[in-house]
Formats: sequence, structure tokens, C-alpha cells
Amino acid sequence: QSALTQPRSVSGSPGQSVAISCTGTSGDVGGYNHVSWFQHHPGKAPKLMIYEVSQWPSGVPDRFSGSKSGNTASLTISGLQAEDEADYYCLSYAGSYTWVFGGGTKLTVL
Amino acid sequence: EVQLVESGGGLVQPGGSLRLSCAASGFAFNGYSIHWVRQAPGKGLEWVSYINPGGRDISYADSVKGRFTVSRDNAKNSLSLQMNSLRDDDTAVYYCVRDQWWTFDYWGQGTLVTVSS
Repeated sequence: QSALTQPRSVSGSPGQSVAISCTGTSGDVGGYNHVSWFQHHPGKAPKLMIYEVSQWPSGVPDRFSGSKSGNTASLTISGLQAEDEADYYCLSYAGSYTWVFGGGTKLTVL
Repeated sequence: EVQLVESGGGLVQPGGSLRLSCAASGFAFNGYSIHWVRQAPGKGLEWVSYINPGGRDISYADSVKGRFTVSRDNAKNSLSLQMNSLRDDDTAVYYCVRDQWWTFDYWGQGTLVTVSS
């Protein structure tokens, strides 16, 4: 149950696009399409942004998009806005009713 | 409105025990799996445990296996996490989280557990 690998930080200017990667193994990210992304503002509950690799929950803008290739999933945020500044976590099902999070990525909007 | 409200957090000494509770409302509790997720100070999110709607399928992270026990009472729309043999590295905010679409769609606000002498 090793944490998935995410960059510790990314940054971009308003209006730009940024991508956050999430690398696992064939036992988690590569083996299932049950990959999700969460936005977490300190002191608040995490918010689901993407599920099943690329699906949007109700209310999440389509500026947020997800994809997967092999053992690596990615979250792309286009048209960056100041309120997008937060920590982002990926999550993958890892089989046998276990799940694993990524280490988290701090997004800074310059 | 879906709500998950955790309680039972507090200060406990290393080696001690604590029982967390999660009260659910606004949805058919007996139809959903529920997870516990924690976040240690300055650290990332960590999945802790899973329980299916009927309470028969249960799983734990390796870091808590053998020390933590999850249970649910569908008649009372409640979930519990019994934590024994607590260690310093169990200090964290513990979240109760609903499972849908193989992901975590609704989160509680969390309850803080501090393990310290």
C-alpha cells in the first residue's frame, strides 16, 4: 500500500493550463479505471473533482479534466482561476477493497 | 442534504484507545459503503478502512490492521471506528466518507485525534 507518486507542487498564471500527474503500478492505477481526483482547501473537507478517470460529478466545471495512460493518471486544469489554488490528491482502487491516495500536489496560482 | 458528522476525537496517551463515531443523514445509509480517511498534520490523505453496506466486507490499511476495528449500525445510521494501541503517528484528522462510483463522494468535516503523552 505505497502512496501514489505526485509532484509536490505545480504552478501557473491565471488563464493558463496545468497538469498534475499521478503514478502508480499495475496493481492500482494501471489495473483499474477507478481513479479519482480531489481538491482540498486547508481546514475544509476534500471535494471530489473527477471520478472513474475522467467523469465529472455534478457541479464541477469542465475546466477540470482527467485522463490515464498505463500506470499514470493526470488531472488537467485549464483556464486557471485564483480559487483553484489548493492541494490536489489522486486516489486509486488497489484491489481487495483497498484504496490508495497520492502524496498530494500543492497548486499555486501566480 | 447528505451529511456525515464525526465525533469522539480528543487527546489520548500512546497505547490508549478511542472510539470514533459517524452519524449519517440525508441518504439511504444502508445502501452505501463507507470509508475512514485520515490526514496527519502537514501530511497527505491516507485511506484507513472500508465497510460495505451490510457490514460483512471490511478492509484496513496495513498501518492500522490489527489495531482498528470498523463497524456500522444501519438501524441507527451510524458508523464506528474503535482504535486501540494508539501510536504517535495515528495523530490526525479522521474523516468519515461515503463511497459511490468506487470513489469518495461525500466527506464529513473530520474529528481530530491527538496521541501524545
